[in-house]
Amino acid sequence: GAVVSQHPSWVICKSGTSVKIECRSLDFQATTMFWYRQFPKQSLMLMATSNEGSKATYEQGVEKDKFLINHASLTLSTLTVTSAHPEDSSFYICSARDQGGVRTGLSGELFFGEGSRLTVL
Amino acid sequence: GENVEQHPSTLSVQEGDSAVIKCTYSDSASNYFPWYKQELGKRPQLIIDIRSNVGEKKDQRIAVTLNKTAKHFSLHITETQPEDSAVYFCAAADLNFGNEKLTFGTGTRLTIIP
Repeated sequence: GAVVSQHPSWVICKSGTSVKIECRSLDFQATTMFWYRQFPKQSLMLMATSNEGSKATYEQGVEKDKFLINHASLTLSTLTVTSAHPEDSSFYICSARDQGGVRTGLSGELFFGEGSRLTVL
Repeated sequence: GENVEQHPSTLSVQEGDSAVIKCTYSDSASNYFPWYKQELGKRPQLIIDIRSNVGEKKDQRIAVTLNKTAKHFSLHITETQPEDSAVYFCAAADLNFGNEKLTFGTGTRLTIIP
C-alpha cells in the first residue's frame, strides 16, 4: 500500500478561496517533506521544503504568503493555497523520505504522495 | 543550483526494441540520480536509481549508466513492452548533509508501438 498519502485527490474551488492539501507519511516519520507542482505535460518543480517544527524553505519565485506550509508533526505536512486563482490550477505532489530506514525501498527511496489536482474556476 | 536536462522529449519504440533516455546535470556535487516513471494522472514511481560511487546498475530489463566526468546519466530499457509506455523523469540530488532536494529533468514521453 501507499506509504505517503495525500488528501484530497481532486479539488475544485472558486477563485479567491483557499484550499488545504494534506500530506501524510503512513508508516514512518518524516522530518522533511517536499512539495512539488506539476503543470500539464511538464516536469515536477520543487516549490518548498517542509521542515517539522520550523519554517518551510521556499524555492526562488514561490510566494510563501500564497503557499502556506505547516509541518506540525513528524507525519503530517499541509499546503494551503491562499486566495487561489485559475493560474494556480495544477497537480500538487508531496514527497518524503524514510530517514529512519523502516521502508528504505530502493537506496533510501523518496516516496511520493498520490498528488492533488487543483482546479480553480 | 542544479540544472538537469533530459532528451529526447518524446520517444517511440517498436515493442521488443530498446529505449534510451539521456540526462545531463550541472552540479558536480550531485551524487544521487533516480529515474521515475509516471503514468497519466498518477504519482511518480521510482524504477531505478544510482549513486555516484558506481558507474552502472541493472535491474532486469532496466539499467542506468553514470558518467561523472561528463556529468551525464542514461536510462536503458531493453525488450520493451506496451506497459513501459509512460513519461520518464530523471533527477539529481546531493544527498550529503541530509539534503534530499531533487531536481527533475523535463521528462520523456515513451510510447511503445505494439
